[in-house]
Amino acid sequence: QQQVRQSPQSLTVWEGETAILNCSYEDSTFNYFPWYQQFPGEGPALLISISSVSDKKEDGRFTIFFNKREKKLSLHITDSQPGDSATYFCAASTGYQNFYFGKGTSLTVIP
Amino acid sequence: GPKVLQIPSHQIIDMGQMVTLNCDPVSNHLYFYWYKQILGQQMEFLVNFYNGKVMEKSKLFKDQFSVERPDGSYFTLKIQPTALEDSAVYFCASSLGTDTEVFFGKGTRLTVV
Repeated sequence: QQQVRQSPQSLTVWEGETAILNCSYEDSTFNYFPWYQQFPGEGPALLISISSVSDKKEDGRFTIFFNKREKKLSLHITDSQPGDSATYFCAASTGYQNFYFGKGTSLTVIP
Repeated sequence: GPKVLQIPSHQIIDMGQMVTLNCDPVSNHLYFYWYKQILGQQMEFLVNFYNGKVMEKSKLFKDQFSVERPDGSYFTLKIQPTALEDSAVYFCASSLGTDTEVFFGKGTRLTVV
């Protein structure tokens, strides 16, 4: 059973638009949710994270919205830039280690 | 930023042979991890390692797998013998503590033929 699911699998937006990436999870004991950004040929890099005690986390153009009751979260990228084109992984864990990853959303931002 | 280096980036090996994947974690980090990603699938946790010991492992961490970090050198994942289903990208990661950022390497693509 897949613990973390992401949608859509791929997403294309125009430069300046807001990209919305979705994530849901199964295990209600998960309490830490990092989002990783991965460029081709690189390893995943932590972009932003949220713990289950918060419902929103903002860092510049990146915002996580978290709904604990529905076990869903989303990553909003406002004013999308071509440099944001990458694959984004949602992950979940109890504590801060041993992550369960989703399959990723491939984002393309068209200039 | 801090870098986790993985060597080699790609390895092809005959089924049944032994393979060692090498990871050079961030220099002051104490916790080390391996993840496995089969093509088209999500990354899955294999094992974490601290103070010379395996702390936790998943069901994917078969008896043929072993990890070690002798004398603070490379953190290694050894598979002996390899099987076709071991073909995947293996990501090494490290962190300073249990509640700090986890840094990932670029991965080693292992192809078992």
